[in-house]
Amino acid sequence: GDSVTQTEGQVALSEEDFLTIHCNYSASGYPTLFWYVQYPGEGPQLLFRASRDKEKGSSRGFEATYDKGTTSFHLRKASVQESDSAVYYCALSVGNNRIFFGDGTQLVVKP
Amino acid sequence: GPKVLQIPSHQIIDMGQMVTLNCDPVSNHLYFYWYKQILGQQMEFLVNFYNGKVMEKSKLFKDQFSVERPDGSYFTLKIQPTALEDSAVYFCASSWDWGDYAEQFFGPGTRLTVL
Repeated sequence: GDSVTQTEGQVALSEEDFLTIHCNYSASGYPTLFWYVQYPGEGPQLLFRASRDKEKGSSRGFEATYDKGTTSFHLRKASVQESDSAVYYCALSVGNNRIFFGDGTQLVVKP
Repeated sequence: GPKVLQIPSHQIIDMGQMVTLNCDPVSNHLYFYWYKQILGQQMEFLVNFYNGKVMEKSKLFKDQFSVERPDGSYFTLKIQPTALEDSAVYFCASSWDWGDYAEQFFGPGTRLTVL
């Protein structure tokens, strides 16, 4: 079935560190891939999406590249800030408006 | 940005009782969704709803669950009767259109505890 795997449950960094959160997917069709961010007390909000192989999604300094060969969509940011502390979800959809979420990665950035 | 509201934020209820979770979607949106997240687990799709009808539901959407949006008011999820395994955070979402380019906007969730 369709699923998303995030390797890291929690990531702790200092400001200006480089961030990588790994995401791999399994899908029956050709999925659209998403990264969502969730701040405390709020629902998930879309960070960006990508729908084709080699397409790069980006927003607020975060980016990820759709890689069909390795079925991956890893999230990266060159220099994190304390305000980036949140839960990040990798997700996919195969066109039926049903979103499959990963387990989420708690990012903690210390000043 | 557009906001989805959910009422209440927390609900504690005894097993076997009925509960209604309320969602106030973005005003011009046409498609509505419920997702369920058990503590420590993935957020999972329950159901989507358009034009007064359930379009698709998952295996998690048991017979005890129902959804409706009477007269453009709240989009509701009703559970009757509740069971212990219904304890979770329930997220409502809405979108303007259908398809992967129609962004789903999520509410902050209702934490349901069934005792």
